[in-house]
Amino acid sequence: SQKIEQNSEALNIQEGKTATLTCNYTNYSPAYLQWYRQDPGRGPVFLLLIRENEKEKRKERLKVTFDTTLKQSLFHITASQPADSATYLCALDDQAGTALIFGKGTTLSVSS
Amino acid sequence: NAGVMQNPRHLVRRRGQEARLRCSPMKGHSHVYWYRQLPEEGLKFMVYLQKENIIDESGMPKERFSAEFPKEGPSILRIQQVVRGDSAAYFCASSSDVGNSPLHFGNGTRLTVT
Repeated sequence: SQKIEQNSEALNIQEGKTATLTCNYTNYSPAYLQWYRQDPGRGPVFLLLIRENEKEKRKERLKVTFDTTLKQSLFHITASQPADSATYLCALDDQAGTALIFGKGTTLSVSS
Repeated sequence: NAGVMQNPRHLVRRRGQEARLRCSPMKGHSHVYWYRQLPEEGLKFMVYLQKENIIDESGMPKERFSAEFPKEGPSILRIQQVVRGDSAAYFCASSSDVGNSPLHFGNGTRLTVT
């Protein structure tokens, strides 16, 4: 079955810096990959989707890359702000294409 | 423009009781997913439903757990004879299509079994 690995340790950065989060997967290559943000006590919120034939996707201060050779996605937040502090989840389609499988997430803390 | 609505937000049950969790998907969404999240754990897929049909229940325990999404009304996740290990946050999500459509999540039901 597919396994997803995200930075297990929390990431602490200073305001204004770029945060880079990593998502690695094993086994089959997914058709697409998604990133979500989750705040304490709330449900995840969709951020970005990138397909297997796309190398990079951008949305405002967010950038996602997808390297199917390395089986890795990188998620960047530029000019980070304290409001960006949250847990970020990587998700892939399962092999049947009917459900999303989520990583455990990386907790980002941006200090001012 | 209501999002995914889950209720109750918090539910306390004694061991052996039944828990019923409700989820109303976003308007126009016919695909519903249930996930379970334990502290320090990721979201674990449980079941995927479309109206009146269970499409994929590979993540749901075979015993005590059931789910439905009737033609009218919310989707229901039902846990019979709850045990302490069932204590978790249960999230419902909906989408407009299967496949690469983003999921829209509710804010979950936190089940505590005493």
